[in-house]
Amino acid sequence: GAGVSQSPSNKVTEKGKDVELRCDPISGHTALYWYRQSLGQGLEFLIYFQGNSAPDKSGLPSDRFSAERTGGSVSTLTIQRTQQEDSAVYLCASRSGTDDYGYTFGSGTRLTVV
Amino acid sequence: AQKVTQAQTEISVVEKEDVTLDCVYETRDTTYYLFWYKQPPSGELVFLIRRNSFDEQNEISGRYSWNFQKSTSSFNFTITASQVVDSAVYFCALSDPSGTYKYIFGTGTRLKVLA
Repeated sequence: GAGVSQSPSNKVTEKGKDVELRCDPISGHTALYWYRQSLGQGLEFLIYFQGNSAPDKSGLPSDRFSAERTGGSVSTLTIQRTQQEDSAVYLCASRSGTDDYGYTFGSGTRLTVV
Repeated sequence: AQKVTQAQTEISVVEKEDVTLDCVYETRDTTYYLFWYKQPPSGELVFLIRRNSFDEQNEISGRYSWNFQKSTSSFNFTITASQVVDSAVYFCALSDPSGTYKYIFGTGTRLKVLA
């Protein structure tokens, strides 16, 4: 696609439920990132995928968070047993693998846990 | 450890005023990239500029200019003759040069330009 697409744009879920957030990167971009933006805070790195390499999961805040990237394209971020502190905007970004000329971000998924 | 500090939480200016957004960074790496992104109310972050640590030349793009000073570890962003459309949250970021290009973001500066 022309840009990075994220769905849903908004998600309200009850505490304890699982949620899945989807990211469709720019076609041909081998690098994909998930960041979390909490109210009043900067963007926090969660996970990074590069091609077929093992993902860098160093930013995932707990084992309730996981992500996968199928076929080197679409990625899904899963949060199990959601907590209120998980409420945030989850941003996905992709980058051409050849150099770092900046990411292209999606519009994000606003997650609210009630 | 790497860190990016944007001490200005919110700035309000009147249209046509000049405004400078501060960014101070910490890193032990000699090679790194610095970035500025704009986040308008729509929420999507927009890339503005990338600066290589070896290039300290200031850059101007229209009403935007950037002042990179390694001596003070600063990468400040100036908007000249601000416009209402400049209202947004601006983030400064430092790139991890390990090859992953993970970013360390500052907490952002919310700029309000009043008509």
